[in-house]
Amino acid sequence: DQQVKQNSPSLSVQEGRISILNCDYTNSMFDYFLWYKKYPAEGPTFLISISSIKDKNEDGRFTVFLNKSAKHLSLHIVPSQPGDSAVYFCAVGGNYGGSQGNLIFGKGTKLSVKP
Amino acid sequence: EPEVTQTPSHQVTQMGQEVILRCVPISNHLYFYWYRQILGQKVEFLVSFYNNEISEKSEIFDDQFSVERPDGSNFTLKIRSTKLEDSAMYFCASGVLTGGNSPLHFGNGTRLTVT
Repeated sequence: DQQVKQNSPSLSVQEGRISILNCDYTNSMFDYFLWYKKYPAEGPTFLISISSIKDKNEDGRFTVFLNKSAKHLSLHIVPSQPGDSAVYFCAVGGNYGGSQGNLIFGKGTKLSVKP
Repeated sequence: EPEVTQTPSHQVTQMGQEVILRCVPISNHLYFYWYRQILGQKVEFLVSFYNNEISEKSEIFDDQFSVERPDGSNFTLKIRSTKLEDSAMYFCASGVLTGGNSPLHFGNGTRLTVT
């Protein structure tokens, strides 16, 4: 069962353009959403998060949008830079159904930003 | 910036052997986690630990697995009798709060290879 889906395994974008990464989730009880970036041979690095009471959170070039009715979130990177090339994981969490707040990850989207 | 450290970075073991993966979480964090990522698959939750006891575990975390916080700084994952399918990257993570309320910070992982 895939509670968190990232349907695009890869995305290629030109430097300076916008990168949009998408994520869908199934359980409306999730109330905390995060994006992690992962380089090869490293652990996931926290990028940005949003709670269910908001629909947008911005941090520099990174903006996360949350559409609760559609159970969808997205990450926008503007402008994209070659150093952004990595695998991006969507993760969801929350104190739901007795969970102690572990995070559930999507399969990841590999972003390649071309100079 | 404080970080989660994991040792060893790579562990090779024979099937049936016991392994201990070690982690030093960020010092003021209270919640500790183990995740794993089988090659090509998503990052999966194994277990969470708080106040010196397991707070939640997944179906993957069967009787062959155990965790321990033997002192004030280390957090270990033990696999008693390794199987081929235990080969994966194992990530330790810690957080000030649970993953439902604050981001978790991950170490760079231990690559476990079972032969």
